[in-house]
Amino acid sequence: AQTVTQSQPEMSVQEAETVTLSCTYDTSESDYYLFWYKQPPSRQMILVIRQEAYKQQNATENRFSVNFQKAAKSFSLKISDSQLGDAAMYFCAYRSVGGAQKLVFGQGTRLTINP
Amino acid sequence: ETGVTQTPRHLVMGMTNKKSLKCEQHLGHNAMYWYKQSAKKPLELMFVYSLEERVENNSVPSRFSPECPNSSHLFLHLHTLQPEDSALYLCASSQDLSQWNTEAFFGQGTRLTVV
Repeated sequence: AQTVTQSQPEMSVQEAETVTLSCTYDTSESDYYLFWYKQPPSRQMILVIRQEAYKQQNATENRFSVNFQKAAKSFSLKISDSQLGDAAMYFCAYRSVGGAQKLVFGQGTRLTINP
Repeated sequence: ETGVTQTPRHLVMGMTNKKSLKCEQHLGHNAMYWYKQSAKKPLELMFVYSLEERVENNSVPSRFSPECPNSSHLFLHLHTLQPEDSALYLCASSQDLSQWNTEAFFGQGTRLTVV
């Protein structure tokens, strides 16, 4: 079974600075998807960015980018120019290709933005 | 309009009560999911429905009974719950289980407290 580990329960960063959230996972599969979801106080999980395992190029979405290291099974999220609205719980998630599209989540990292 | 709407947002129920959680999606998706989010634990997948048919049941106690009358609606019927069932229950939908490269969209959840 796949597992996802987020080793940082909490992180904080100054507004406009850069922060990196860590995620590692364990799987025996060669093809899969990885995601970062954001859960603000409104509680709705919002997709931030996703990475296909067969693509070597790291995904980027505006201020959000990932560092995907497939051999190390590492998938970190970098937030540049942090904004107050980035404050939220961030969840790393894994999904197999095919099957019931089950998302396996990490335990989350609470990100605080200091003004 | 978030696309996936859950009601109620908050629910307090006694252990002998019967209640239902409702989820409605306006995205034209064919797959719907129930997740449980407990404090300090990763999100846990409970049920997966595809075209109104249950395709996955992750060893969930029978006091949780899902119902999917059509592809737009998903219910979770609750009966004789325990205090440890208190959690945030999240509904999600995705386009189709066969299209594995699409994302899941989440509702805002129902915060359930069992007293």
